[in-house]
Amino acid sequence: EVQLVESGGGLVQPGGSLRLSCAVSGFTFSDHYMDWVRQAPGKGLEWVGRTRNKANSYTTEYAASVKGRFTISRDESKSSLYLQMNSLKTEDTAVYYCARDLRIDGGYYFDYWGQGTLVTVSS
Amino acid sequence: DIQLTQSPSFLSASVGDRVTITCRASQGISSYLAWYQQKPGKAPKLLIYAASTLQSGVPSRFSGSGSGTEFTLTISSLQPEDFAAYYCQQLKSYPLTFGGGTKVEIK
Repeated sequence: EVQLVESGGGLVQPGGSLRLSCAVSGFTFSDHYMDWVRQAPGKGLEWVGRTRNKANSYTTEYAASVKGRFTISRDESKSSLYLQMNSLKTEDTAVYYCARDLRIDGGYYFDYWGQGTLVTVSS
Repeated sequence: DIQLTQSPSFLSASVGDRVTITCRASQGISSYLAWYQQKPGKAPKLLIYAASTLQSGVPSRFSGSGSGTEFTLTISSLQPEDFAAYYCQQLKSYPLTFGGGTKVEIK
């Protein structure tokens, strides 16, 4: 059974840092692209960033709103995905989801999602 | 960036109704489009990928169509468990983007 479990959310002051984790199981982690998506309270979904799979050298992509502040990484030995968030702003307040990608005909679709972890940036 | 415009943003319907949600892309995205369902307090769930392919386990009353810039999600006969928010997403180019969402509520 595929499972993704996020952790690490909490309350942080503006300008602070936080690292989110996503522990995965039930599939070969290194074979899959992985993404982070966030959802501000009462708002829609916003893609945060992606890490490609081992075959594509784990390269990354980011949304403009987080580029230079957030870093996605992964530890294959721990089957874990990470989101390091620095220089946090109040507008980063959201539930953060990790998602696994399903490759179909050149597209990568988010077929499994974690339950989400809430990050609140406030003084 | 590719903008996705969903309509309507809110929809009130009854059990058994046929419901159609539209997603328009600001430029052509071929068939690189997905539809997700999200219930309150829960993670999104993949319903449709590649514009028209039903994800495994998703009821056949859901269907997707379109290519290029115009796409639709149709629920042929709305069931009580279908009251939720629905989002389209383009996976053609970075940054990946979502539509603003459509909330389907009980009339």
